[in-house]
Amino acid sequence: GENVEQHPSTLSVQEGDSAVIKCTYSDSASNYFPWYKQELGKRPQLIIDIRSNVGEKKDQRIAVTLNKTAKHFSLHITETQPEDSAVYFCAATSWDFGNEKLTFGTGTRLTIIP
Amino acid sequence: ETGVTQTPRHLVMGMTNKKSLKCEQHLGHNAMYWYKQSAKKPLELMFVYNFKEQTENNSVPSRFSPECPNSSHLFLHLHTLQPEDSALYLCASSLGLDRPYGYTFGSGTRLTVV
Repeated sequence: GENVEQHPSTLSVQEGDSAVIKCTYSDSASNYFPWYKQELGKRPQLIIDIRSNVGEKKDQRIAVTLNKTAKHFSLHITETQPEDSAVYFCAATSWDFGNEKLTFGTGTRLTIIP
Repeated sequence: ETGVTQTPRHLVMGMTNKKSLKCEQHLGHNAMYWYKQSAKKPLELMFVYNFKEQTENNSVPSRFSPECPNSSHLFLHLHTLQPEDSALYLCASSLGLDRPYGYTFGSGTRLTVV
């Protein structure tokens, strides 16, 4: 089955600097890669996603890049702000007996230092 | 609210008690999921239902018993739990197993087993 690895597990960044979180996946058939943000005490929420037919997608301060050859994708947050502090999860689709499902990474706890 | 509602938000139960967690969605989704999230572990998939049929049980102990009477409702029945079962239990839904898009999480039930 699919294996998604996420690094780093914790990340501290000075406010205003950029943060990068990386994920690798094992299933070459994966074609959908969402990122979720979970603030303390709240539910995970989709913040951005990318499909395999594009290499990069950007939404204001957040961007995701995908390298299908190397089977890795990354989340980039620029001009970080205190409200960016949260746990971020990457995910990748995989196929299991004809069904497509999401496999999540282990999460990255991002702390923005004021 | 994102459309996936979980009750109760918090639950404290003894090891000999029987309780149930409830999840409800009115997004028109056909797939529903139970996840366990503990302090230092990633989102652990427990059960998957597609069109109210269970399609996946990730080696979950029998003290957790899921029920899906229809595509909009999902229950998790709990009995004779252990302290290590204390965690945040998240429900999620998506359009369908063949389309894991629109993956939406509920707010979770914080379970404490004493």
